[in-house]
Amino acid sequence: DADVTQTPRNRITKTGKRIMLECSQTKGHDRMYWYRQDPGLGLRLIYYSFDVKDINKGEISDGYSVSRQAQAKFSLSLESAIPNQTALYFCATSDPDGTSGRFADTQYFGPGTRLTVL
Amino acid sequence: QKEVEQNSGPLSVPEGAIASLNCTYSDRVSQSFFWYRQYSGKSPELIMSIYSNGDKEDGRFTAQLNKASQYVSLLIRDSQPSDSATYLCAAGPGTYKYIFGTGTRLKVLA
Repeated sequence: DADVTQTPRNRITKTGKRIMLECSQTKGHDRMYWYRQDPGLGLRLIYYSFDVKDINKGEISDGYSVSRQAQAKFSLSLESAIPNQTALYFCATSDPDGTSGRFADTQYFGPGTRLTVL
Repeated sequence: QKEVEQNSGPLSVPEGAIASLNCTYSDRVSQSFFWYRQYSGKSPELIMSIYSNGDKEDGRFTAQLNKASQYVSLLIRDSQPSDSATYLCAAGPGTYKYIFGTGTRLKVLA
């Protein structure tokens, strides 16, 4: 089973709709992240969380909100979707001590959610 | 604006050759540098990290860091067709808030 899962994997929605993307992890990591990836723009950080009570904005948080429901769950919401939010969205976790992988600070990415806003 | 810049490619190399991927960064406080590999339609996967000036080798991969020149590179020896992917460079001041480059697409020709 995958350590970081995202649902849905694909979503088509209309302008103005509210949508939630969900992320779950079984790695036991405290740190979780949401990124979006656009052709030519790379991966950009939307929000990150170091524990259940800690939420921080990334470089492109406008139009997005997040909820950390538990250590293992981190959800991203688009309150009123717009076409320029069409992108590939990735959730990631990290282990700053490197105890779960070969390298410290590794970010482990989920499979991604392809979101299209019409 | 803090940036990490990479040539988008594609960089084409023959099978068995050395592939050299380059990255520059603008934020001098960056202390941590990473190379991720991303296959088409898949999620990024970390292949190398480097924190100190010099070279760091891991199997067929060597990362090189020059903080004075704000330059990071990744060498892939004995390139294989399975190495064909997009390679993302990332830099950050610590263990979070990476800035990712847009990636270099590598094509290894059999």
